[in-house]
Amino acid sequence: DTEVTQTPKHLVMGMTNKKSLKCEQHMGHRAMYWYKQKAKKPPELMFVYSYEKLSINESVPSRFSPECPNSSLLNLHLHALQPEDSALYLCASSQGSGVGNTDTQYFGPGTRLTVL
Amino acid sequence: AQSVTQLDSQVPVFEEAPVELRCNYSSSVSVYLFWYVQYPNQGLQLLLKYLSGSTLVESINGFEAEFNKSQTSFHLRKPSVHISDTAEYFCAVRLFSGGYNKLIFGAGTRLAVHP
Repeated sequence: DTEVTQTPKHLVMGMTNKKSLKCEQHMGHRAMYWYKQKAKKPPELMFVYSYEKLSINESVPSRFSPECPNSSLLNLHLHALQPEDSALYLCASSQGSGVGNTDTQYFGPGTRLTVL
Repeated sequence: AQSVTQLDSQVPVFEEAPVELRCNYSSSVSVYLFWYVQYPNQGLQLLLKYLSGSTLVESINGFEAEFNKSQTSFHLRKPSVHISDTAEYFCAVRLFSGGYNKLIFGAGTRLAVHP
């Protein structure tokens, strides 16, 4: 089973709202990722969690706040977003670094976010 | 620095024709390469990967890719495409940086299969 689930599938929010995206995997993976994908572009890495600790923040604005409550869950808290933040937000997971050359990322279906 | 170049932004092809989607990479270290497919309004699905061993790798739906070190390429091929293969295809190289694995994606190739 290589399934990563994400909720919700679609989200529309105003610029003053607070919302959260959720990601879950049960593959025993220890690394989890958030990506942002704009239309007709490749995914752009936002955050990496390794063993439930934030390992990489790719200079993402503070209006995006990640959280990893446990090894299976990853959240992305959203507050005071801008219309240009509208995009597909993808979660991924992998076994994690230090497992040799087999580390492979598996992606969820994404959350389509629209900021009004 | 590692990078990935997908030379074709769009590839139109008729159903049952062969197709090749090109991917070139630049890297000075060990290379781990991936192809992901993204169907309309969906996430990325792993299509196939090269980590080590045989340079020819295959997917369950008829795609194959060959790792060519001398040409620094990892082109994706299928001998006969179906309408259902219409999708965006991303080539990616895995980079180990700062103690962590990161994927570097190409710009993507839009495969459009016509009847």
